[in-house]
Amino acid sequence: DVKVTQSSRYLVKRTGEKVFLECVQDMDHENMFWYRQDPGLGLRLIYFSYDVKMKEKGDIPEGYSVSREKKERFSLILESASTNQTSMYLCASSRRETQYFGPGTRLLVL
Amino acid sequence: GENVEQHPSTLSVQEGDSAVIKCTYSDSASNYFPWYKQELGKRPQLIIDIRSNVGEKKDQRIAVTLNKTAKHFSLHITETQPEDSAVYFCAASKAPGGGNKLTFGTGTQLKVEL
Repeated sequence: DVKVTQSSRYLVKRTGEKVFLECVQDMDHENMFWYRQDPGLGLRLIYFSYDVKMKEKGDIPEGYSVSREKKERFSLILESASTNQTSMYLCASSRRETQYFGPGTRLLVL
Repeated sequence: GENVEQHPSTLSVQEGDSAVIKCTYSDSASNYFPWYKQELGKRPQLIIDIRSNVGEKKDQRIAVTLNKTAKHFSLHITETQPEDSAVYFCAASKAPGGGNKLTFGTGTQLKVEL
């Protein structure tokens, strides 16, 4: 079974803090993705990566950056957290079309 | 870029009835259309997908239809059961290539009532 894990299920941070969300997959997938999920807005793509050290902006990259130093790990960074970044963050990985999701991190920025 | 619209946003059916969720997409080059199911508190999981060279695909009680001309695709669930209650997301992609990026619809909350 494909396993995608995320470093935290719940996270509470203060406005202005730097926040790191980590995602690890164990299936040697080339592609990795970060989404945020908000009620009524579905899953919106923040960034994705199709290879180590490669990254592409998704639909809502503002306020976020990513890092992929190793194939199995894809990190999402909030340089200076803001209250409008309070959301559920989902990581996913894929070899081809099918994406496998992690359990999600619910982030609250106060 | 691609835009996927999904309707309805909520759907309530009686157990045993059928449920239909509809999506439209904007990019005629999209060729892969998956459906994901997300149960409460859980991660989204692929339940069925269809490619642009196929008009319909079935898997037990679920089926997906695709109309390329109209840029519509739909999820059909027959004989609904309480365990079908979940949020369903449609998506579109131009696969392979481009990192196999998916554009998702906004989701449909399906509630199957006893």
